[in-house]
This record gives sequence, C-alpha cells and structure tokens, in this order.
Amino acid sequence: DSGVTQTPKHLITATGQRVTLRCSPRSGDLSVYWYQQSLDQGLQFLIQYYNGEERAKGNILERFSAQQFPDLHSELNLSSLELGDSALYFCASSTGDGGDTQYFGPGTRLTVL
Amino acid sequence: GIQVEQSPPDLILQEGANSTLRCNFSDSVNNLQWFHQNPWGQLINLFYIPSGTKQNGRLSATTVATERYSLLYISSSQTTDSGVYFCAVERQTSYDKVIFGPGTSLSVIP
Repeated sequence: DSGVTQTPKHLITATGQRVTLRCSPRSGDLSVYWYQQSLDQGLQFLIQYYNGEERAKGNILERFSAQQFPDLHSELNLSSLELGDSALYFCASSTGDGGDTQYFGPGTRLTVL
Repeated sequence: GIQVEQSPPDLILQEGANSTLRCNFSDSVNNLQWFHQNPWGQLINLFYIPSGTKQNGRLSATTVATERYSLLYISSSQTTDSGVYFCAVERQTSYDKVIFGPGTSLSVIP
C-alpha cells in the first residue's frame, strides 16, 4: 500500500458525460501528479500540482481540468467524454516540487460507452 | 521532446534466471525512477535513481546519467516478478515533466 488513495476504483459512463476522479496524497506529500494509461498511448503525464498551485502541464486535453484543494487532495474532472478517454487514470504524490520519489495510487479505471 | 526507450520489449524467463532491463533517454534529466506494474495494474516504485547504483534485495539498478542510460537487474527471478517494468524520467520543463518509457513486459515461468 503506497498510502495514496483514489476513488472510485471503477467508473462506467456514457459519451458526452462528465466525471470527477479523486486523489488523496500520502500524509505529508505536497505534490500530486495525474497520469493517463491507455493501450495505444502508454503512460502519459497530464498535470502536476504542488501545495495547491499548478506546477506543470503535460498532454492534458482542454476538456480535462484538475485542482488541488487546501487539504491537498486533488480532483481530475473529465468532461464531454469520448470513447477514446477510456483508460486507467493514476495519481501519484511526492514530498517536494519534483525531483523526488513518486508514489502511485491504485488508479481509477474509466470506461466510456 | 525527450525520447525514452526500453529494451527488450518482452522477456520470458525461467524461474531462477537473471535478467537486465535497459532504459535509454535522449536528453539530460533530473530524476529517473523504475516501476513495476503488477498484473493487477498497481504501479510499484522500485528505485529512485538519478545516478549511481542502488540495491534492494534481488533487484539493483544503475544509472549513468552522463551516458543517458539506466539498467535494472533482476536476479534469481520469481513468478511474482512478472509484469511490466517502466522507467520514467523527470525534467524541469512543464510539458514533458515526466516521460515514461514503453515498458518491458516480463513473464517468469515456473
């Protein structure tokens, strides 16, 4: 158990819908990273927050957004869902603003029908 | 952008055998990690190793940052070692802050 929690574990929804994925980092960690893992694209970095502020932005679609709250948990919002958004979404946390070990949560498996 | 390659893409080992997995990267990086994704999908951190050598039980890793590669050694492999091994590099840029390699899929057979 990495200490990073993600909810829900599984999510099935329809095209055009909106969903929210939640991540709680390990106690004491200030950074949260979001990743998408799909069969065709592999593991891709989406976005990083550190202590409530956006620090790095990767290959994240405009339909997707994220935030980190004062209690350091983070949410990833996915809207206008398409079939191609079906994937495993991971969050990871680390102590500092990059350059240290990232610990991954169990992931949320999103299926868009 | 930076390219991260891993070799071999697939590997089948007899239980008890040793193996070496390689990760090459095309530009300087601040950090490198090795992960194991088990058959249930969980990503488990193995090593944080921007340079030098580390060992943890049957696993060890070496990163030669100046030559832009890292190696993961698995000795006396066990069936529980099966899964996909990823290396991931971290940079100070924003867009490609973290880049994962395509992975090496390892199957250890009894």
